[in-house]
Amino acid sequence: GAGVSQSPSNKVTEKGKDVELRCDPISGHTALYWYRQRLGQGLEFLIYFQGNSAPDKSGLPSDRFSAERTGESVSTLTIQRTQQEDSAVYLCASSSQGSGANVLTFGAGSRLTVL
Amino acid sequence: SQELEQSPQSLIVQEGKNLTINCTSSKTLYGLYWYKQKYGEGLIFLMMLQKGGEEKSHEKITAKLDEKKQQSSLHITASQPSHAGIYLCGAAAGGTSYGKLTFGQGTILTVHP
Repeated sequence: GAGVSQSPSNKVTEKGKDVELRCDPISGHTALYWYRQRLGQGLEFLIYFQGNSAPDKSGLPSDRFSAERTGESVSTLTIQRTQQEDSAVYLCASSSQGSGANVLTFGAGSRLTVL
Repeated sequence: SQELEQSPQSLIVQEGKNLTINCTSSKTLYGLYWYKQKYGEGLIFLMMLQKGGEEKSHEKITAKLDEKKQQSSLHITASQPSHAGIYLCGAAAGGTSYGKLTFGQGTILTVHP
C-alpha cells in the first residue's frame, strides 16, 4: 500500500483479555518495527523484523508480548492477559534496505486502553 | 543505554517567529533523525543527519548536527500554524544497521496565528 496501515485504530479492553494489533507495511519494505508510546514517555522500541524473522526482540517488555510476521508483509503484535500498564499507542513502522534502512515510515498507531 | 534529552519540552510562539529545538545525546551520535507527530497520526520523517557538521534544510526547517557536542538543533524560520505538533529526535543505537532508534521525549510546539 501507499503507507503503513494499522488496525484497529482504537481498542478498549478489560484487564486480563488478550489483544491483537495488526500492521500492514509499505509494499516492498522488508524491515518492520513495533514501537510503543506511553503517555508522558518517549517511544520505546519493541521488536524488529527482517523478512519474516525477528533478529531483535530485545524491547518486548515481558513474555505476554509476542509478534509474528508472515509473507514478508503483515505483522501481528499480540498482548496476552493485558494489564493496565499496557495502555499505550502501539506504532508500527517499516523501512527499505540500504541507505534508507534507518528512515522509518510510521503508521498512525493503535491506541490501546486497558480498563 | 543512550538517552536523548530535548529542550524545551514545550514552546508557544506567535506566527512568523523563528524558533529552535535542541536534542542532546548522552552518547556518541551515529545518526540523528527528526520526526514530527500530530495528535492521532503517526510520526512523519523530517530529516536525517549522519555526519558531524552536517546541515539539512526542508522548506523552512533546518537541522544541524554537532558531533562533538553530541547535539542536534532544529530551527524553524517564520513559523506557521502548520508547523504545530510534537517534534521528536531519534538516534540510532551504536553499531546497528537497522531502525532501532532511541527517541527523545518530544517538544510540543504551538503556533498562534
